Amino acid sequence: EVQLVESGGGLVQPGGSLRLSCAASGLTFTRNAMSWVRQAPGKGLELVSSIYDSGETYYTDFVKGRFTISRDTSSNMLYLQMSSLRAEDTALYYCATGRGTFWGQGTLVTVSS
Amino acid sequence: VVMTQSPLSLPVTLGQPASISCRSPQGLLHSDGITYLSWFHQRPGQSPRRLIYKVSNRDSGVPDRFSGSGSGTDFTLKISRVEAEDVGTYYCGQGTYWPYTFGLGTKLEIK
Repeated sequence: EVQLVESGGGLVQPGGSLRLSCAASGLTFTRNAMSWVRQAPGKGLELVSSIYDSGETYYTDFVKGRFTISRDTSSNMLYLQMSSLRAEDTALYYCATGRGTFWGQGTLVTVSS
Repeated sequence: VVMTQSPLSLPVTLGQPASISCRSPQGLLHSDGITYLSWFHQRPGQSPRRLIYKVSNRDSGVPDRFSGSGSGTDFTLKISRVEAEDVGTYYCGQGTYWPYTFGLGTKLEIK
């Protein structure tokens, strides 16, 4: 059974940084692409970043240069390092496999002074 | 790729059918021959759950009252007989072009 458990969210000031983690079990990172998808309060789903099984990374324009996705294949951990955070980055951040087969429960990031 | 869903709100009587449309501005057939169009269901306060993948394939545990169809740019999710547990928001999502994108969502409620 695949399980994805996110952590690391919290309240941060504008311009601050935060590192999200996703602990994955029941799957092999080197055979699966992984993504971070966010959902602002009351809004829809928005892909943030993906890392493919090859290790290649992709970012959407609104986080490029500010966020970094990475993984540790030895421990099946996925990360999202977020910096220069803005109020509009406030959202529930989900870890998901590739094209959305499995989702975690999400971790809330609030950017506010 | 901006995915357009309709309707955005869908009041349905229990036991009645429901249908949600999803349109893409460009065809979703990938170069590998697969159309990566999925449907997701999100209950209030819960994570999204994928129901349908590659247009018409039901995920494990998804009741057979849910069906997906379509090709190219036009896709449909149908619920043959709506049950109380089906309330929530439904999203279509395309995984053919990066960045993968989702529709705005269709909120299904019971009349």
